[in-house]
Amino acid sequence: KAGVTQTPRYLIKTRGQQVTLSCSPISGHRSVSWYQQTPGQGLQFLFEYFSETQRNKGNFPGRFSGRQFSNSRSEMNVSTLELGDSALYLCASSLGDRHTGELFFGEGSRLTVL
Amino acid sequence: GQQLNQSPQSMFIQEGEDVSMNCTSSSIFNTWLWYKQDPGEGPVLLIALYKAGELTSNGRLTAQFGITRKDSFLNISASIPSDVGIYFCAGHLTSGTYKYIFGTGTRLKVLA
Repeated sequence: KAGVTQTPRYLIKTRGQQVTLSCSPISGHRSVSWYQQTPGQGLQFLFEYFSETQRNKGNFPGRFSGRQFSNSRSEMNVSTLELGDSALYLCASSLGDRHTGELFFGEGSRLTVL
Repeated sequence: GQQLNQSPQSMFIQEGEDVSMNCTSSSIFNTWLWYKQDPGEGPVLLIALYKAGELTSNGRLTAQFGITRKDSFLNISASIPSDVGIYFCAGHLTSGTYKYIFGTGTRLKVLA
């Protein structure tokens, strides 16, 4: 069974540009969540989607947005990039119900903003 | 954002030694998860715990779900060099929300 797949693995952007990251969850998983990981802040929750609806949102500015498609694949977008957006962006998937809590991460997308 | 208290923050141990780390929270969780993350990679799920008091093993790893549902610990027995990495705990909230809260991580270094 394939794991969580994230693309691209690495990317370099300049300030002011925008970026779109993609995530394909484990087959059958309906919940996809996104996290930002930096050395100083650890894992910070961005948002979670379940059945194409944003179910939870972290404390990030509106420049960070996401969506989920009918096949559960998800994308996140960051507009007007800032230097501080450089981070490892992790996508995770789960079944999304309240009884099965296993959460599986992808390899991450390493974003560098110059 | 909200994070769990995880300790120790880092530890150096000799190969063959046992390791113990724990996470505590002010919130009650339905599930506790333990992950290992290597540099530049995504966290890999090691153990999932679903019931208060549950003790679960995965090879040399053993984890327990605290009776109060507010804490968990992870033990690694007979450590080996490939155990090096960062270990995270995570608690799963489902009451009134659907959310995972992560620990601050324990950086483990094993000296051969």
